[in-house]
Amino acid sequence: ELKVEQNPLFLSMQEGKNYTIYCNYSTTSDRLYWYRQDPGKSLESLFVLLSNGAVKQEGRLMASLDTKARLSTLHITAAVHDLSATYFCAVNPNTGNQFYFGTGTSLTVIP
Amino acid sequence: NAGVMQNPRHLVRRRGQEARLRCSPMKGHSHVYWYRQLPEEGLKFMVYLQKENIIDESGMPKERFSAEFPKEGPSILRIQQVVRGDSAAYFCASQGQANTEAFFGQGTRLTVV
Repeated sequence: ELKVEQNPLFLSMQEGKNYTIYCNYSTTSDRLYWYRQDPGKSLESLFVLLSNGAVKQEGRLMASLDTKARLSTLHITAAVHDLSATYFCAVNPNTGNQFYFGTGTSLTVIP
Repeated sequence: NAGVMQNPRHLVRRRGQEARLRCSPMKGHSHVYWYRQLPEEGLKFMVYLQKENIIDESGMPKERFSAEFPKEGPSILRIQQVVRGDSAAYFCASQGQANTEAFFGQGTRLTVV
């Protein structure tokens, strides 16, 4: 069974601090996506990572992909309150086109 | 270019009734996915469709659930004889081509009373 695991599940951090969210997956894939979800809302696409070693940055968020380790990271730099949300990674297995989502990381940034 | 449109946004059904959830993908998108999300949980894959074809329904319950994506019109997720355990948010996503990002609709929140 394909597994996509994120850690931590819950993250409370102070404004201005840095932290990393990890996404491990159990299948062969070089296609990984990060999404943000606010409470009661839909999912917003953040990053699309399509090759080993891919790194993308947008504002205070930076995502990377290591397909050999089957690991993606989402790094938060100098957190601000507006980043409070739930973050999901999703994997496209190389053998199919469906998206498998991680368990989600609920991030709360405290002033 | 309108995004992925789902309707209704909220749906209340009594046990035993039928629920029909609609999803209009983004213009030009021919790949549609349906996901179910329970409160405080992640998204569970249900079904992947292309126009007129079900590509992967490995996440669909064997009974009462069905999905279609006709040549014309929206994709439909149909739940027959709903039970309380069907209460959840159902999200639809569309994709233009393989290996590209999927865009999500606002979801339909189904409540079974």
